[in-house]
Parts: sequence; structure tokens; C-alpha cells
Amino acid sequence: DGGITQSPKYLFRKEGQNVTLSCEQNLNHDAMYWYRQDPGQGLRLIYYSQIVNDFQKGDIAEGYSVSREKKESFPLTVTSAQKNPTAFYLCASSPSGGELFFGEGSRLTVL
Amino acid sequence: KQEVTQIPAALSVPEGENLVLNCSFTDSAIYNLQWFRQDPGKGLTSLLLIQSSQREQTSGRLNASLDKSSGRSTLYIAASQPGDSATYLCAVKRGSTLGRLYFGRGTQLTVWP
Repeated sequence: DGGITQSPKYLFRKEGQNVTLSCEQNLNHDAMYWYRQDPGQGLRLIYYSQIVNDFQKGDIAEGYSVSREKKESFPLTVTSAQKNPTAFYLCASSPSGGELFFGEGSRLTVL
Repeated sequence: KQEVTQIPAALSVPEGENLVLNCSFTDSAIYNLQWFRQDPGKGLTSLLLIQSSQREQTSGRLNASLDKSSGRSTLYIAASQPGDSATYLCAVKRGSTLGRLYFGRGTQLTVWP
């Protein structure tokens, strides 16, 4: 079935560690996005990519990094520079100008 | 910068009621507007997409309208059911195919039997 797969669903990290969240889509969408969701804050855009090998910072890019080497993959690395990384992370994709579809999310907890 | 506001923040209704969720945005130069549903601990599910040239879209018991000039969209849910309980979010895409989306904070809906 076509869709967006995020892994892992749950992730625990010790302070000072980098972690990478995976996002894969088989919808042949050009654009991919990473959002962070915190209680009471709504969705905030971390990074987005409109095309392979290109990406732009969103509103809260500090402490995060991404790559877009393949059309179907857009991994997000949460670095040790991110001060408060505990959150629910959502990956999304869309055709150019079209409807946005989301994965099921990854919940990161820093111990 | 586009600001998106959703009112009310929470809504509790008995089963069977028709209800309206509101979304307002500050910049009318939008490309499209999308309504989503989110269940607790889950990702967002797309409900309806309205292009800037359209006035409304319908899917089953859901109807979304768009008034760009006033910066408003409404999501109408007919004959609500307990299974409709979720958080509903609207998102506005800025004025081109490459524009980014701006999300409201959502309306948390509870439909009780």
C-alpha cells in the first residue's frame, strides 16, 4: 500500500546523543516535511524539501539536520545541540502544490 | 507571516448534533487550505483540500467552505457521532505550489453518546 512510514515509533535518548528518525514514502511525492508537535503549541515546521538534494529551514531548525539524497527518503537527525528534543515528530509529503499526507509519527523522549 | 487561528479550542456535543468548526487566516493570498483530523498519539489524516479558486468541498458528512476575502474557512460536520471525537486542524498553504503550510492549533472535539 502507498503511504509514509516513520520509524521508530518510540525512541529514547540519553542527553548528548544524536538520533536519526526515518521517513520513507512510496507516493512519488516531490515535497517532504518534518514537523514537531508539543502539547499546546501546535505543529511547528523544522525542515522541508521540495526536490531531491535541496531542503530549506523551517521555523525551528536549530539543533536538527536533514538530508534528501533520494526522492522517497527524508531522514531527520536530532543533534545534541537541540536543547529540548522530547516531542512528537511528524513527517509529511505532498505532490507539488497538492494534498499533504502524514506518517504516524515518532515519539522521542530524552532520559 | 501567515497566522492561522481556530475557534473554539475545544468543543463537547451530544451525538447527532450538526456542528461548525472555524478557521481564520490573516493573509488572503493562499494557494489552498486543508482540513485534518488527528487522533491521540497518531499522525494527521487529511479530510478535505480546498483550492483557492474553490468555495467548498464535501466528503460524506463533512463540508468545508472557503472565503478568501474574509480569511475564513469552516468545517461543517453533520449528524456527529462518537467516532468523530478527535482534534481537527486546518492548514493554509501560501500563494504558490512551493509555498509552505501554516497550521492552526486545532479544535478538540468530543462527541458523547
